[in-house]
Amino acid sequence: DIQMTQSPSSLSASVGDRVTITCRASQSISSYLNWYQHKPGTAPKLLIYAASSLQSGVPSRFTGSGSGTDFTLSISSLQPEDFATYYCQQSYSTPYTFGQGTKLEIK
Amino acid sequence: EVQLVESGGGVVQPGGSLRLSCAVSGFTFSSYWMSWVRQAPGKGLEWVANIKQDGSEKNYVDSIKGRFTISRDNAKNSLYLQMNSLRAEDTAVYYCARDWVGYCSGGSCYGAFDYWGQGALVTVSS
Repeated sequence: DIQMTQSPSSLSASVGDRVTITCRASQSISSYLNWYQHKPGTAPKLLIYAASSLQSGVPSRFTGSGSGTDFTLSISSLQPEDFATYYCQQSYSTPYTFGQGTKLEIK
Repeated sequence: EVQLVESGGGVVQPGGSLRLSCAVSGFTFSSYWMSWVRQAPGKGLEWVANIKQDGSEKNYVDSIKGRFTISRDNAKNSLYLQMNSLRAEDTAVYYCARDWVGYCSGGSCYGAFDYWGQGALVTVSS
């Protein structure tokens, strides 16, 4: 199985800050990497697919990059609604696997 | 409007069974792979299983192989997860999700879970 490792596990930031979350795969997954935002009690939301493609309706302050084993999700100018947990997920092969999550909290 | 609505969650004793359903509307259900993803209390997301459009292919995470069965009824626009021999570690919120292909390039197709239900809570406890 492909292991996905995110860092950091938690992050404190202020409204207006720029933050970056990293995700590393245990083997090359090309660009088969997705990012999701999840808030308690709600359905996870797809932000980025294929490593860098912005899902329809997602604000452009979210950007994804990387290929192979190393990927990043960046959020420029944090908004109050961005405080949530973020997960990376590989769609290269089953079993599809998620990173452990990065909880983004308000400083 | 795309909607996925899970039902069938509840409290069950260890060793018991439960069947989750996911009723889908707003898109052509029979055209998509579908998945189940779960989240145990205080833990992250875990993909559980998926099923091809016509039900001819199914994939499972190792921890539930032989105990859980994914199925679908395209006439009823419904996805199912039959869970047998349940264990305490199966306690989680179970989400159904649509397997969507974002785009294809050079023979590679890049997919993601683009629509999710609100989840159904399954609690395995004596």
